[in-house]
Amino acid sequence: EAGVAQSPRYKIIEKRQSVAFWCNPISGHATLYWYQQILGQGPKLLIQFQNNGVVDDSQLPKDRFSAERLKGVDSTLKIQPAKLEDSAVYLCASSPIGNRGRNSPLHFGNGTRLTVT
Amino acid sequence: AQSVTQLDSHVSVSEGTPVLLRCNYSSSYSPSLFWYVQHPNKGLQLLLKYTSAATLVKGINGFEAEFKKSETSFHLTKPSAHMSDAAEYFCVVSPSGGYNKLIFGAGTRLAVHP
Repeated sequence: EAGVAQSPRYKIIEKRQSVAFWCNPISGHATLYWYQQILGQGPKLLIQFQNNGVVDDSQLPKDRFSAERLKGVDSTLKIQPAKLEDSAVYLCASSPIGNRGRNSPLHFGNGTRLTVT
Repeated sequence: AQSVTQLDSHVSVSEGTPVLLRCNYSSSYSPSLFWYVQHPNKGLQLLLKYTSAATLVKGINGFEAEFKKSETSFHLTKPSAHMSDAAEYFCVVSPSGGYNKLIFGAGTRLAVHP
């Protein structure tokens, strides 16, 4: 089975520029997550989708971050404008719906490393 | 609010010796707890999960963890370290009991020396 695909692998931008990340989940996985991992910290959930609907975006800085999941498959995460503190690895994960409608273990992609200068 | 604290940011062991990675949790009720591993330039991988069944949980690659409610701990152990175990390890708690809104610790970097 193909894993979660993310692109680009690396991105360097200047502050106040915009950037977008792309994620293709494992086929058939209904739930998709975006996590932010700042250097030296554990990943933090930004947003969770189930199919094409948002389940949780309580920790997404909505003034500059946006995400969408068109047709319930691929997803993009955008930052506009970027700040220095946005430098991090952005991880995408997906999971199928398990028994009793609960989510199953997450499958993570390799991430996109963003550097804002 | 639920949280996890990983007591060591770095642990260094020799190949063939035991591994102990320490984690304490904070929760107002019985939590679901996990350990994830992250190898360099690789995605996070689930090692094991505790969900209020047996307190000793066995995971992949010979790792296991013991849930101790009295100590609010969920330490990760392995009897004999292998070079391939060198990675970052994360202790994780779930407020909902499932896999939604996972809360990660800061991580422990494990180094294994020959």
